[in-house]
Amino acid sequence: DTAVSQTPKYLVTQMGNDKSIKCEQNLGHDTMYWYKQDSKKFLKIMFSYNNKELIINETVPNRFSPKSPDKAHLNLHINSLELGDSAVYFCASSQDVSAGGPWNEQFFGPGTRLTVL
Amino acid sequence: ILNVEQSPQSLHVQEGDSTNFTCSFPSSNFYALHWYRWETAKSPEALFVMTLNGDEKKKGRISATLNTKEGYSYLYIKGSQPEDSATYLCAFEVDGGGADGLTFGKGTHLIIQP
Repeated sequence: DTAVSQTPKYLVTQMGNDKSIKCEQNLGHDTMYWYKQDSKKFLKIMFSYNNKELIINETVPNRFSPKSPDKAHLNLHINSLELGDSAVYFCASSQDVSAGGPWNEQFFGPGTRLTVL
Repeated sequence: ILNVEQSPQSLHVQEGDSTNFTCSFPSSNFYALHWYRWETAKSPEALFVMTLNGDEKKKGRISATLNTKEGYSYLYIKGSQPEDSATYLCAFEVDGGGADGLTFGKGTHLIIQP
């Protein structure tokens, strides 16, 4: 019954590797997001995506790329991992307001703790 | 760059006492102000979404107010209980940018002492 799920929950990998984090939502939402929780526990938007557009936070390195095979999934792919990429990554989803949903209330996944060695 | 500030950063409150904390946000291009409750090792959970100046929302012992003209929101907890211990995040949503995601404050870490 999990609304927004992420896999894996923990990911430990070497610098330079390429990795993906998967996110799935079963809420029928139109928009999905990726947030990064930095070392100071601060949540920052990385991407948002619906079936119309991808919006990228300009501070996100282009090693990070979201991939959406369908409306229920937004995976995060990271190339050439660096030590500074270590963080907790949260996926979220919301109903498109124009479709009559609540005011962009977002539902968060449990987070994926990425550790780059 | 959007600036969302929350104060205090942390707060210790005796069980049974009432408390409140503040979120300040840009007063221009306002669309909505969100409050989330974030317990350790869990996901942020939506408490309120407020859109209109003067809005007041309530859920049990927790309530929130909104002043969009001066750019602040208060979250109140009445009769604090140990289960209220969590980090409370506010987030600003910019006008016309629903898909832009939310800009979060750094949160107020609330600890209720029995």
